[in-house]
Amino acid sequence: ETGVTQSPTHLIKTRGQQVTLRCSSQSGHNTVSWYQQALGQGPQFIFQYYREEENGRGNFPPRFSGLQFPNYSSELNVNALELDDSALYLCASTATSSGGAGTGELFFGEGSRLTVL
Amino acid sequence: RKEVEQDPGPFNVPEGATVAFNCTYSNSASQSFFWYRQDCRKEPKLLMSVYSSGNEDGRFTAQLNRASQYISLLIRDSKLSDSATYLCVVNKRSNYQLIWGAGTKLIIKP
Repeated sequence: ETGVTQSPTHLIKTRGQQVTLRCSSQSGHNTVSWYQQALGQGPQFIFQYYREEENGRGNFPPRFSGLQFPNYSSELNVNALELDDSALYLCASTATSSGGAGTGELFFGEGSRLTVL
Repeated sequence: RKEVEQDPGPFNVPEGATVAFNCTYSNSASQSFFWYRQDCRKEPKLLMSVYSSGNEDGRFTAQLNRASQYISLLIRDSKLSDSATYLCVVNKRSNYQLIWGAGTKLIIKP
């Protein structure tokens, strides 16, 4: 087990709704990143948080937003859900010195599987 | 063209055989390279980092060819438990934005 926990594990929403996914990072890890993995695809980087600030973002629209809390846990919020948002959402934590390059080893949670109907 | 490309497979390989797959990347400024393994409906886990000089970890060998912009993974004496999807990952810049390939599915058959 990596020590990264995500909730909920599965959820079903309808188009237009909003969803909040949660992630508790591994103890000692200050950097959290979120990924979207569609079926049969590799993970796509959404954004990264370091010390409660977003310090990197992939090619996702503003309706994807996040937060990091002082204890380094994090939330991913998605507004105005679309059918294409159906995917596995992965949270990964690591320890970095400044939110930059680390060892390359990300510790993933088991993911939140979102279905949008 | 995708930034990181992999043959999706599946590679169907008998137990005990050697299997190799490659991954190509488009950004010549890429600095760090990794292979992750992902079991069905599970999260990815780091298999090994890939160094310029090549590196080996037991039955697994990773190679990097910067001139041709590809990395490879070789698995010797394959086991049934090696069945998984292998994801190639590239660090695009000196930050932590990793670019992932879509993965190569490997099926080891008894």
